[in-house]
Amino acid sequence: SAVISQKPSRDICQRGTSLTIQCQVDSQVTMMFWYRQQPGQSLTLIATANQGSEATYESGFVIDKFPISRPNLTFSTLTVSNMSPEDSSIYLCSVEVLTGVNEQFFGPGTRLTVL
Amino acid sequence: GNSVTQMEGPVTLSEEAFLTINCTYTATGYPSLFWYVQYPGEGLQLLLKATKADDKGSNKGFEATYRKETTSFHLEKGSVQVSDSAVYFCALRNTGNQFYFGTGTSLTVIP
Repeated sequence: SAVISQKPSRDICQRGTSLTIQCQVDSQVTMMFWYRQQPGQSLTLIATANQGSEATYESGFVIDKFPISRPNLTFSTLTVSNMSPEDSSIYLCSVEVLTGVNEQFFGPGTRLTVL
Repeated sequence: GNSVTQMEGPVTLSEEAFLTINCTYTATGYPSLFWYVQYPGEGLQLLLKATKADDKGSNKGFEATYRKETTSFHLEKGSVQVSDSAVYFCALRNTGNQFYFGTGTSLTVIP
């Protein structure tokens, strides 16, 4: 298994500002992901955070809006840039652990409210 | 394409009642299937999983059977407790190692 922590746990931000969310894992993992969980909706994959190279973004998400860093195998950041109220959501970091069948473990999430 | 459809909530049950949360999927190839649970104020946790047809995943009294013929993975528990109150997500992992989640079903168990 993997223990994942995220900072901050929640924040309230003003429109037009940016917020960087940190994700720390207690062990080295190959795959790290960032998801968004909008109110009343399912999880949507934003991107795969690649160590040493640019993140791989899903359709509908772009690097200018959601820049991601992954400097090593235990840490990643997601920035939500130029925020609008539509960005209000829970942002989740996830890692994949090889256990025969690849399992995903999730962080506690960062609850973002944009005013 | 790949998708997961699960029954909409919220679901409210009395303690010791029988629980079923329906989940059906669409996938190319042979996916693995999962149920995740999100307790209030916490992150998602893996509840159970099944990797091939007819496999039954089980944990904490919950069960789900991978039914290829009906493309289903319904979650069941014979006697729910107040502590089972949470949001439950059905998910699949396709052969390309991507996860797809359902919209979640909120369960409230009342004493």
